[in-house]
Amino acid sequence: DTAVSQTPKYLVTQMGNDKSIKCEQNLGHDTMYWYKQDSKKFLKIMFSYNNKELIINETVPNRFSPKSPDKAHLNLHINSLELGDSAVYFCASWSGSGAGELFFGEGSRLTVL
Amino acid sequence: GNSVTQMEGPVTLSEEAFLTINCTYTATGYPSLFWYVQYPGEGLQLLLKATKADDKGSNKGFEATYRKETTSFHLEKGSVQVSDSAVYFCALSNSGGYQKVTFGIGTKLQVIP
Repeated sequence: DTAVSQTPKYLVTQMGNDKSIKCEQNLGHDTMYWYKQDSKKFLKIMFSYNNKELIINETVPNRFSPKSPDKAHLNLHINSLELGDSAVYFCASWSGSGAGELFFGEGSRLTVL
Repeated sequence: GNSVTQMEGPVTLSEEAFLTINCTYTATGYPSLFWYVQYPGEGLQLLLKATKADDKGSNKGFEATYRKETTSFHLEKGSVQVSDSAVYFCALSNSGGYQKVTFGIGTKLQVIP
């Protein structure tokens, strides 16, 4: 069983469309994240949820809306996609101990044409 | 705020060469420090960590020592292999409250036979 799984792995779409990426973790962790990795591999935190509650919301356009139906799932919905949204989006969960570990999914590569 | 500075790559080494990837940080309090590795087409995974000053993290022949006096956490390996080719990220997490991990820009390592 994959600890943190994301779907879809690849997503190609046109500008202006709306798309969603789903993430599930089976590790029993309380805290989950969305990170964006650009073409230069720079990794930037977008959102974090702790037990379904939003706790980190970085400077991200309102077109991005996370949703956490339960603590094992964190989805990302993007409205009105733009070229600059093309990136790899990583979901991660936090083990929660004092100096815990982030467990990452394999990433979802979004290409906006 | 917290920040991590690491050397830009790419770094190209011959097999069995010595590796150093520099990392320095700026943080309030007493952060935990991490090195994550990203192999091609995969998500990040924890390589090693250190939670307090003078701690040494080690794994798979890689080592890094938490140096509070120089605010550094340099990654070293005595003899690299082709299979070590990946992107390496230095990271830190805040010492209290909800965990927010801040990543460096990533350093791409290519090891040639």
